[in-house]
Amino acid sequence: SAVISQKPSRDICQRGTSLTIQCQVDSQVTMMFWYRQQPGQSLTLIATANQGSEATYESGFVIDKFPISRPNLTFSTLTVSNMSPEDSSIYLCSSRDVNSYEQYFGPGTRLTVT
Amino acid sequence: RKEVEQDPGPFNVPEGATVAFNCTYSNSASQSFFWYRQDCRKEPKLLMSVYSSGNEDGRFTAQLNRASQYISLLIRDSKLSDSATYLCVVNRRHSGGGADGLTFGKGTHLIIQP
Repeated sequence: SAVISQKPSRDICQRGTSLTIQCQVDSQVTMMFWYRQQPGQSLTLIATANQGSEATYESGFVIDKFPISRPNLTFSTLTVSNMSPEDSSIYLCSSRDVNSYEQYFGPGTRLTVT
Repeated sequence: RKEVEQDPGPFNVPEGATVAFNCTYSNSASQSFFWYRQDCRKEPKLLMSVYSSGNEDGRFTAQLNRASQYISLLIRDSKLSDSATYLCVVNRRHSGGGADGLTFGKGTHLIIQP
């Protein structure tokens, strides 16, 4: 399985600001995804990060709020824009190869918005 | 109806006992099924994929019943280190034609007691 790292591991941010989270995979993978895990909840898919094109967002998530980049096969960023306390959550990056549905997760970024 | 439903527990089980978890899913078009394990303040880790014929990995056995849209996980000879939250996960078909992400159940909390 791919090894996935995320930066930062945690941050405390003021409302109205934006934070960009980086995700790096140690091998070239076809699929990368971003998830959110709110306190006491399970994971929710935000979007699929597509290489060289716009991300595909799930219902309830929009590009203006969560812009995503994926410039190559091993790297992606998620920005949480104009943050509010409701955005306090853990944000996780995942990857999988095209021939498997198995996904592997990065360690997550714990975001607190004050 | 929620897409993936699990009994949240907690299940308090003595060490060495056998414990079983169940999960139901609503999307009959789902093709891939998994059990993930999540320890406190950690990312989910893939425990095992679930195949139609059933599969076993050491002390862990997973079963899938497509007709009833039901997935199970059996843990034999439970260890203290098995204490965790077990997440039932189903692949999510993207209506917009994007790559399949995963839909997570809320998880079943297992506590193995000495």
